[in-house]
Amino acid sequence: GEDVEQSLFLSVREGDSSVINCTYTDSSSTYLYWYKQEPGAGLQLLTYIFSNMDMKQDQRLTVLLNKKDKHLSLRIADTQTGDSAIYFCAESRVNTDKLIFGTGTRLQVFP
Amino acid sequence: KAGVTQTPRYLIKTRGQQVTLSCSPISGHRSVSWYQQTPGQGLQFLFEYFSETQRNKGNFPGRFSGRQFSNSRSEMNVSTLELGDSALYLCASSPGDAQETQYFGPGTRLLVL
Repeated sequence: GEDVEQSLFLSVREGDSSVINCTYTDSSSTYLYWYKQEPGAGLQLLTYIFSNMDMKQDQRLTVLLNKKDKHLSLRIADTQTGDSAIYFCAESRVNTDKLIFGTGTRLQVFP
Repeated sequence: KAGVTQTPRYLIKTRGQQVTLSCSPISGHRSVSWYQQTPGQGLQFLFEYFSETQRNKGNFPGRFSGRQFSNSRSEMNVSTLELGDSALYLCASSPGDAQETQYFGPGTRLLVL
């Protein structure tokens, strides 16, 4: 199937690290993405990882990819209240721009 | 560079009407994809256009159609609107030549009454 799964909610204290998890089903996925959506807005690309990599770091963001388990995670260091949003993981397949999105994880950051 | 723009941002229609949404991609991008976002179904792929040709299509009824112009701008049309078509419609653009990152517009929020 095409299911990409994420947990629905995550609540963290400001300054802590957040880890958002995602599992996907298609081993032929080429790129895996993380997008952020704030209320009433479109999707903002945060970062992406090519399927032959296992880690990518970009400032406060760290992406880990376990291809064997088809598991992707996004770690946000020093989480801020401005990080409160819905986070979507997405996978793309060979020769297409079609993205398969996860269900989204609502991150709430409290002071 | 300007980002992806979508017009209109908000739209209210009644059942049975039709609607046309517009998307202008990032300058130089040739691929435009459309997605529907609803609370119940999440983000679902509608179709993708590249160089004025539909390259990929999702599982939506024929009431949903699209097209792309020579300047890469794209429109999507929904005919005979149903209540369930109420959604946020998102457009994304990418260079399109290979597996490239997609950048999303702010979306058009459609409400069908």
